[in-house]
Amino acid sequence: AQKVTQAQTEISVVEKEDVTLDCVYETRDTTYYLFWYKQPPSGELVFLIRRNSFDEQNEISGRYSWNFQKSTSSFNFTITASQVVDSAVYFCALSEAERASYDKVIFGPGTSLSVIP
Amino acid sequence: DAGVIQSPRHEVTEMGQEVTLRCKPISGHNSLFWYRQTMMRGLELLIYFNNNVPIDDSGMPEDRFSAKMPNASFSTLKIQPSEPRDSAVYFCASSLRSGTTSSTGELFFGEGSRLTVL
Repeated sequence: AQKVTQAQTEISVVEKEDVTLDCVYETRDTTYYLFWYKQPPSGELVFLIRRNSFDEQNEISGRYSWNFQKSTSSFNFTITASQVVDSAVYFCALSEAERASYDKVIFGPGTSLSVIP
Repeated sequence: DAGVIQSPRHEVTEMGQEVTLRCKPISGHNSLFWYRQTMMRGLELLIYFNNNVPIDDSGMPEDRFSAKMPNASFSTLKIQPSEPRDSAVYFCASSLRSGTTSSTGELFFGEGSRLTVL
């Protein structure tokens, strides 16, 4: 069964520090999709990235970067030079693509990030 | 373009009452998801539809919960009778799954419906 683990429940950093949010997933499929979402204090869920299992290239978008390693079943998210506006709960999610229940997007428990000015 | 629209945004009701949450997905999207978010259980997938057909409802907690999607532009999640433990934020999300290949697109979420059952 698909499963997503985010071992860090809460993280606090001082502004301008770098921070990495960990995500470990479990799946028996060889084709799957991984996602990161952000939930700021206002409550909406904001899409950050989608990655398929065949694309292990790291991705960088501004201060955000993602490290996908199939060997360790991890899809970690790094924020460089953190800002107060980065304070939010971040969710990693997984969707398996080979079974009848494809499209079933399962979320991890989330990591609450607090960036202190 | 309008995003996913949910109503009501807030609902306060008494135990035993029927609750109906509504969702209008993004036009053209063919997958629709209902999630429930609580502090204790996080974001739980309740049910999802593809082309208006329920694909997986294994996350629906019990028979008190039911969901329908009568057409591509409307879905409801009903709780009858409601209980205090149903208090949560209920999110609807839609996405576009492409063609005949399994390709889960980005989920677009509504703002959520905050339900409080007294």
